[in-house]
Amino acid sequence: TQLLEQSPQFLSIQEGENLTVYCNSSSVFSSLQWYRQEPGEGPVLLVTVVTGGEVKKLKRLTFQFGDARKDSSLHITAAQPGDTGLYLCAGARWQNFVFGPGTRLSVLP
Amino acid sequence: GAVVSQHPSWVICKSGTSVKIECRSLDFQATTMFWYRQFPKQSLMLMATSNEGSKATYEQGVEKDKFLINHASLTLSTLTVTSAHPEDSSFYICSATRPGLAGVDTQYFGPGTRLTVL
Repeated sequence: TQLLEQSPQFLSIQEGENLTVYCNSSSVFSSLQWYRQEPGEGPVLLVTVVTGGEVKKLKRLTFQFGDARKDSSLHITAAQPGDTGLYLCAGARWQNFVFGPGTRLSVLP
Repeated sequence: GAVVSQHPSWVICKSGTSVKIECRSLDFQATTMFWYRQFPKQSLMLMATSNEGSKATYEQGVEKDKFLINHASLTLSTLTVTSAHPEDSSFYICSATRPGLAGVDTQYFGPGTRLTVL
């Protein structure tokens, strides 16, 4: 049973377009993290959200944590080829982390 | 941000040999370290959770005698793939948990180790 679902699983868009990736669960998490991973490398932490309803911005990336702390979204504005990669969300419960299956984003120039 | 290193970055070995992978947290003491395996174009698969000074907790389906984990200190965990076979070829990634403010722990990942078993 996948505790964390991500959608879409694959996304291919043109440079300049906007996109949103969703991370959903029926479980409550104490915090949620988003990572980006490029081929052959380890995931790199983008953000940690802790408070229900929290919104964090990182340049063209906007992260939101659901009010009930069960879901999150990542919105990218004016996507660039450098945004290409595997985006992973991970929910923290106690000292355990649960990962979603990932969203593979491809931004075409 | 916190730094986690892995060594080696890639390794090629013959079938039947053992391979040790090191994971170090360079600028913080990690309360917990995790070992993951990742197949091409797939997400991370948790293999085991490692706490310093205690036995690792393995996920269902992961052979503890095959994948030996030693967590000798708060900054070092090792994964040894014993009697490696071609099906063990994969990308192995470790992560270290850094305690944060208000009890929010954050995972920081190593760069991964590419294992190829011939």
